[in-house]
Amino acid sequence: DIQMTQSPSTLSASVGGRVTITCRASQSISSWLAWYQQKPGKAPILLIYNTSILETGVPSKFSGGGSVTEFTLTISSLQPHDSATYYCQQYNAYPWTFGQGTKVEIK
Amino acid sequence: EVQMLESGGGLVQPGGSLRLSCAASGFTFSTYVMAWVRQAPGKGLEWVSSIGGRGDYTLYADSVKGRFTISRDNSKSTLSLQMNSLRADDTAVYYCVKKLGYGYALDYWGQGTLVTVSS
Repeated sequence: DIQMTQSPSTLSASVGGRVTITCRASQSISSWLAWYQQKPGKAPILLIYNTSILETGVPSKFSGGGSVTEFTLTISSLQPHDSATYYCQQYNAYPWTFGQGTKVEIK
Repeated sequence: EVQMLESGGGLVQPGGSLRLSCAASGFTFSTYVMAWVRQAPGKGLEWVSSIGGRGDYTLYADSVKGRFTISRDNSKSTLSLQMNSLRADDTAVYYCVKKLGYGYALDYWGQGTLVTVSS
């Protein structure tokens, strides 16, 4: 199975700031990586797919990059409503696997 | 508007069975791969099972293989998950999710249904 490792597990940032979350795959997943946002008690929402393509309706403050085994999610112009847990997921091969999540807190 | 509404969750004893359903609307159901993803309380996301658009293939996580069965009825736009021999570690919120096909991510998640396995 492909293991996905996210870092950091938690982070805190100020309103208006920018954060970057890293996701590492245990083997090459090409560009088949997605990012999801999950708020407490809610279902995840797709933010980015194929490493860097923004899902329709997702604001451009979210951006993704990377390739092969190392990927990033950057969130700019942070607002209180960006507080959430963010997950990466590989869909290069079954079983689909997720990172353990990164909890983002906005100060 | 896409809607996916899960039902069938609840409290069940270890060794028991439960059948989850997901009623979908607002998209061409048969075009999409459908899947179940679960999340144990306070934990991360775990893929459980997937089924092809025509029901032509099914895939399972090792943790549920032989105990869970995924199925779909394209005439009714419904997805099901039959869960047998349930264990405490199956306790989770189960999400119904859709995916256009190879190279696409999970683009919509239902609101989830809670399954609790406990005596």
